[in-house]
Amino acid sequence: DARVTQTPRHKVTEMGQEVTMRCQPILGHNTVFWYRQTMMQGLELLAYFRNRAPLDDSGMPKDRFSAEMPDATLATLKIQPSEPRDSAVYFCASGPVTGVLADEQYFGPGTRLTVT
Amino acid sequence: EDQVTQSPEALRLQEGESSSLNCSYTVSGLRGLFWYRQDPGKGPEFLFTLYSAGEEKEKERLKATLTKKESFLHITAPKPEDSATYLCAVQAWETSGSRLTFGEGTQLTVNP
Repeated sequence: DARVTQTPRHKVTEMGQEVTMRCQPILGHNTVFWYRQTMMQGLELLAYFRNRAPLDDSGMPKDRFSAEMPDATLATLKIQPSEPRDSAVYFCASGPVTGVLADEQYFGPGTRLTVT
Repeated sequence: EDQVTQSPEALRLQEGESSSLNCSYTVSGLRGLFWYRQDPGKGPEFLFTLYSAGEEKEKERLKATLTKKESFLHITAPKPEDSATYLCAVQAWETSGSRLTFGEGTQLTVNP
């Protein structure tokens, strides 16, 4: 049963600390997405990659967030320095690119981040 | 700019009481409309993709339909285990590909 995996599942940190979240996409999927979910804003797209190349990171605060895909099995989202307003659940999703039909996305379980 | 509006925000049903959730959308060119289910503390779970007006898809007690302006998720004889937040999202034809725009969701509670 192929699934997107994310680590850590929970993270509590102090303001100013660096946070790194990791995602392993489903094998064979060539698009990877990072979302943030809060009660106020719902699901927001932060960044996404196709074939490991960043296509869009316009949803990310550029001064503190960065997203990378060092290889096809790992995507990372870093926040440095973290702030209390970054507290949210961060989801990774992956999907195949068909080129014809709409591209489905499959979500991981999320990382719940609390910044104090 | 693509927009998705879901209604109602919350819905309480008795077990066996059928109802529908609404997803209204505006998009430059619809590539696909997606329905997801999200349980508390979990990631959204993919349910359906609809591609064109008139299309319908079914899964157990759920049926999704699509028109040019909205989609409905019909729930027939719901059970307590159908309680979840249901999210609607659209994908548009655009050069940069696979972006999804999500609605705020409908929180469904089914009481036994």
